[in-house]
Amino acid sequence: QSALTQPRSLSGSPGQSVTISCTGTSRDIGSFNYVSWYQQHPGKPPQFILFDVSKRPSGVPDRFSGSKSGNTASLTISGLQADDEADYYCCSYAGNYNYVFGTGTTVTVL
Amino acid sequence: QVQLQESGPGLVKPSETLSLNCTVSGGSMITYYWSWIRQSPGKGLEWIGFIYSSGSADYSPSLKSRVTMSLDTSKNQFSLKVTSVTPADTAVYYCARRVGVGFDYWGQGILVTVSS
Repeated sequence: QSALTQPRSLSGSPGQSVTISCTGTSRDIGSFNYVSWYQQHPGKPPQFILFDVSKRPSGVPDRFSGSKSGNTASLTISGLQADDEADYYCCSYAGNYNYVFGTGTTVTVL
Repeated sequence: QVQLQESGPGLVKPSETLSLNCTVSGGSMITYYWSWIRQSPGKGLEWIGFIYSSGSADYSPSLKSRVTMSLDTSKNQFSLKVTSVTPADTAVYYCARRVGVGFDYWGQGILVTVSS
């Protein structure tokens, strides 16, 4: 299976919103509402920030929200903060007990 | 608070077998799925596979022929073996707990370099 497609980089000023897209196929994102998102700061392991497209684990601020339409999922970060500067990865269930990650997006806070 | 810690050799020769362990603390391994995920230098994440607490496992189709996972719940450990490694297997290897269809707890990662 091929990696899900994400924009390589995005940027925004503090307080603004950014939306990261994650495009897959009808065999993964299009077939299942099982998209999760991860935030990764340099040199650190990924952190779980969304699951089942739009649900937030305990402790994740509501500035992080998710949605899905067709074969594309999206992560929106509202009220951008300096600490949001990181890499973000989507992940989708792809059937037959398989998972596929996205290519990753670097978010820069200007 | 669940914690995971990877351990194993940081250098493996081409054609040999990569072997890693993950030790779980702060929680039980029972009724959870335990995963391995890797990240090549400067690249994205790649799911390798997972193993359930019963011992049943599923692997990424692209790695299935070379990967074996096992676990020992009495030691709170699970393991990864990748055979016939090449430099393309050089990566930071993470162990993680799968909950639902996401990965909620991750180890710090261990860099494994494949080189002679």
